[in-house]
Amino acid sequence: DAGVIQSPRHEVTEMGQEVTLRCKPISGHNSLFWYRQTMMRGLELLIYFNNNVPIDDSGMPEDRFSAKMPNASFSTLKIQPSEPRDSAVYFCASSGDPYRISPLHFGNGTRLTVT
Amino acid sequence: RKEVEQDPGPFNVPEGATVAFNCTYSNSASQSFFWYRQDCRKEPKLLMSVYSSGNEDGRFTAQLNRASQYISLLIRDSKLSDSVTYLCVVNVDGGYNKLIFGAGTRLAVHP
Repeated sequence: DAGVIQSPRHEVTEMGQEVTLRCKPISGHNSLFWYRQTMMRGLELLIYFNNNVPIDDSGMPEDRFSAKMPNASFSTLKIQPSEPRDSAVYFCASSGDPYRISPLHFGNGTRLTVT
Repeated sequence: RKEVEQDPGPFNVPEGATVAFNCTYSNSASQSFFWYRQDCRKEPKLLMSVYSSGNEDGRFTAQLNRASQYISLLIRDSKLSDSVTYLCVVNVDGGYNKLIFGAGTRLAVHP
């Protein structure tokens, strides 16, 4: 079975550039989550969607960050303009049912380095 | 107070030892509880869900204490391969869905 698929695996960019991270959730899953992980702050929830609708984006750090989910099989997280402090591992995760206890299934993550 | 708190460790134990971790949460209405493991910055992987009555999966036992708002993970007969970070996950909204991670507890099992 295909799990959560994220791309790219690694991204190195210069400060000020636009970065787009992509995620394909597990087919049939109705919730999608974006997390960011750093040594200092651990795993932070940035935003999550239920049935393609953003439910809570209170974790998005600044207006430079935006996320979309145009359909049930695709989501993007965009940073524009990027800054060195955005360097982190970004994980996408999906879960099956937002109205029941459902564990998260993670993608491999995108390791972002902004120089 | 943080929404989900864990002792960062590290816990250093010999092979074969029994070790336990706790995780406290702030929202008394939380319904979803999980333990995840994460190895060397790879993606977190589900270890086990935590049910109200407590549950066991092989060498691992999870407990929920609603009155004191904490969950626990007990590992028996520790193996070298158990040397990872254990992440506590709790929902912090009124439903089941907004899942917040603790900072993780590092376990180091030595020969």
